[in-house]
Amino acid sequence: DVKVTQSSRYLVKRTGEKVFLECVQDMDHENMFWYRQDPGLGLRLIYFSYDVKMKEKGDIPEGYSVSREKKERFSLILESASTNQTSMYLCASSSRPLPDTQYFGPGTRLTVL
Amino acid sequence: QQQVKQSPQSLIVQKGGIPIINCAYENTAFDYFPWYQQFPGKGPALLIAIRPDVSEKKEGRFTISFNKSAKQFSLHIMDSQPGDSATYFCAASIGTGNQFYFGTGTSLTVIP
Repeated sequence: DVKVTQSSRYLVKRTGEKVFLECVQDMDHENMFWYRQDPGLGLRLIYFSYDVKMKEKGDIPEGYSVSREKKERFSLILESASTNQTSMYLCASSSRPLPDTQYFGPGTRLTVL
Repeated sequence: QQQVKQSPQSLIVQKGGIPIINCAYENTAFDYFPWYQQFPGKGPALLIAIRPDVSEKKEGRFTISFNKSAKQFSLHIMDSQPGDSATYFCAASIGTGNQFYFGTGTSLTVIP
């Protein structure tokens, strides 16, 4: 069965802290994605990666960076968390050829105080 | 700028009713249109998808209607059940691209 896991379901951080969100998929998928989900705004793409060490900016990359050192793992980094980054963060993966179903993790609810 | 516009934002129907969720797009290069369903506390999951070479696709109680000339597509849920209460997202993608563009979501509540 397809599985995308995220390191935390809930996370509370303080303004200015560095935050790491981890995502792991067990499907040998090439593509991985980070979205944030906010009420009334839907899912907005932050970054995606189509291969190890490769990354592409999505629609809202400002304030975020990513790392993909291994195929199964994709990390989202908030270098200096701010209150406007309080949100639900969703990781997804998909295989090629495109388009293909994106499989989502359960999400991490991040609160920045 | 929202590439895919979705309405309504929320919808309440009685059990057995047929909720309809609408989406519109501008980019004629889009060639794949999935719908995702999200239950509280879960990530979205693919429900049904359509390509623009057909005008309708059915899977069980879920139907996508596609109007290429109007650049609109919609999800119909036949004989809706309380278990269908969830948030629904439409999306679109371009065949050679990596990115899905999601709508803003519709929160559906089916009252018993």
